[in-house]
Amino acid sequence: VLTQSPATLSLSPGERATLSCGASQTVIKTFLAWYQQKPGLAPRLLIYDASSRATGIPDRFSGSGSGTDFTLTISRLEPEDFAVYYCQQYGSSPLTFGGGTKVEIK
Amino acid sequence: EVQLVESGGDLVQPGGSLRLSCAASGFTFSNYWMHWVRQAPGKGLLWVSRINPDGSNTIYADSVKGRFTISRDNAKNTLYLQMNSLRAEDTAVYYCVSQLTNAPLDYWGQGTLVTVSS
Repeated sequence: VLTQSPATLSLSPGERATLSCGASQTVIKTFLAWYQQKPGLAPRLLIYDASSRATGIPDRFSGSGSGTDFTLTISRLEPEDFAVYYCQQYGSSPLTFGGGTKVEIK
Repeated sequence: EVQLVESGGDLVQPGGSLRLSCAASGFTFSNYWMHWVRQAPGKGLLWVSRINPDGSNTIYADSVKGRFTISRDNAKNTLYLQMNSLRAEDTAVYYCVSQLTNAPLDYWGQGTLVTVSS
């Protein structure tokens, strides 16, 4: 089970966002990803292997962590970053997703 | 350009059946594990089912086991999800998603809406 916190994060553009994802068991080989989803659209891969940015993802997005605790950090929020973020593990079967964190404009 | 295009979503009565399709292009479909992931209205992402590259191995979420069947036709670059005995709680947008071995879910389709209601 992956547990994301907080459920909602209210911030202003330019602020730093820190999203957490906790696993009930060790995530094998840090096979953890973060996705961004905007309304009406499919999720988009941001981070894989806990800390590697996917192709085309700006460097204001960074991931860290290992074992059972992981973090997605957005260094300076841009207007297009307000969305829902999901963590997901792919080290064991079946795949599992966290419940999501909504980053909203304060 | 990689594309995954789902089709087949519809309004269906409880107990009914539906078959979703996902047409893949722009990548070597037969090398990829393929998944169905669903999202109920206003809710989070829920993994539904997975099939390995040659179609010989499949797994399902407990909530759909025995009712849904995932399959693929590598000659047609197409993924399927046969959904039987549909329930109201199966109402969701269903996404077709690709994955290489030990890699994240990289390409997502646009989703197809399944509504189960009388």
